[in-house]
Amino acid sequence: AQKVTQAQTEISVVEKEDVTLDCVYETRDTTYYLFWYKQPPSGELVFLIRRNSFDEQNEISGRYSWNFQKSTSSFNFTITASQVVDSAVYFCALSENEDFGNEKLTFGTGTRLTIIP
Amino acid sequence: SAVISQKPSRDICQRGTSLTIQCQVDSQVTMMFWYRQQPGQSLTLIATANQGSEATYESGFVIDKFPISRPNLTFSTLTVSNMSPEDSSIYLCSVGGQAVSYGYTFGSGTRLTVV
Repeated sequence: AQKVTQAQTEISVVEKEDVTLDCVYETRDTTYYLFWYKQPPSGELVFLIRRNSFDEQNEISGRYSWNFQKSTSSFNFTITASQVVDSAVYFCALSENEDFGNEKLTFGTGTRLTIIP
Repeated sequence: SAVISQKPSRDICQRGTSLTIQCQVDSQVTMMFWYRQQPGQSLTLIATANQGSEATYESGFVIDKFPISRPNLTFSTLTVSNMSPEDSSIYLCSVGGQAVSYGYTFGSGTRLTVV
């Protein structure tokens, strides 16, 4: 069975600091997808990134970067020079199977990030 | 990516009544997913709805409590039946991305309060 663990329940950092959110996953499949979503106080889920199991390249998008390491089953998310608008709950999620779009997501418990001005 | 219109956005309902939540997608999709997010918690899948067949429910969720309809490839409803305060949650529908770079898209959610 698949499982996603986000051990950090809450993190608070001062604005402009860098922060890393951890995600560890478990799956028996060799083909799977990993995701990060942001849920701001307004409640909607905002898609940040999707990564498939065969692509271990790190990804950078502006102030956001992701580090995928299959050897440790981790998919960590770093925000550089954090801003108050980054305050939200961040979810890591996993879907198994290569039939992308037709498989359920298993979510971690989320990390509540608070950026202090 | 797909755009989902979900309604109602929020509702306050009396114990023992039922509420039907609707999700309309702007493109045809094979699977639609219904999730529940209890206060301060993560998202839990309720069921997967495939057009033309009965929904598949996850452990702990039953059709009598959460009947789902999927009449075509762009629409689905979830009903929360015989509600109790424990059903107070955010309910979200979701569809898979249609392109390599996309993730699963979520509706804006229905915030349900049962009193």
